[in-house]
Amino acid sequence: AQKVTQAQTEISVVEKEDVTLDCVYETRDTTYYLFWYKQPPSGELVFLIRRNSFDEQNEISGRYSWNFQKSTSSFNFTITASQVVDSAVYFCALSDPPQTQMEYGNKLVFGAGTILRVKS
Amino acid sequence: EAQVTQNPRYLITVTGKKLTVTCSQNMNHEYMSWYRQDPGLGLRQIYYSMNVEVTDKGDVPEGYKVSRKEKRNFPLILESPSPNQTSLYFCASSPPLGRDTNTDTQYFGPGTRLTVL
Repeated sequence: AQKVTQAQTEISVVEKEDVTLDCVYETRDTTYYLFWYKQPPSGELVFLIRRNSFDEQNEISGRYSWNFQKSTSSFNFTITASQVVDSAVYFCALSDPPQTQMEYGNKLVFGAGTILRVKS
Repeated sequence: EAQVTQNPRYLITVTGKKLTVTCSQNMNHEYMSWYRQDPGLGLRQIYYSMNVEVTDKGDVPEGYKVSRKEKRNFPLILESPSPNQTSLYFCASSPPLGRDTNTDTQYFGPGTRLTVL
């Protein structure tokens, strides 16, 4: 069965520190997608990135970067020079498309989330 | 603007009083689903629908019903709510995987915070 593990329940850092959020996944599928979402205190889910299983290139977007390593089944997320506005819950997720769902959409399997607190 | 709307956003109710949380999307997506979010568990899928009149159970369907009479709407029904259904609920819709190659494949609603006393 598909599973996503975010071992860090909560992380606290001081502003401007770099922080890495870990994500380890399990799947038997050869084709899958990995996601990161941010949930600020207001509660909505904000999409950050989607990565497919055939693309292992690291991604950088401003202060955010992602490291995808199939060999270790990990998809870690790093925030450089953290800011107070980065305080949120961050979810890693894996698409779990059974054959019947593949054409029409996708179910996501989420990790438990990591609470990030950035202090000024 | 492409969006998924949910109503109500907040609801406090009592055990056994039937309730419906509505979900509507304006993107003509075939696939819609419901998730619940609980501390330490992340989000878990309750039910999904691949098209009108086509629904199926997700991972945690007990105590819930859904219907899909129109493509845009996918209401979540709690026939007899219990305190263990106190949670944050998200509706989501997505296009077929082949269409959106560079963007998110799930469009989430803003969430409904439900408390069952």
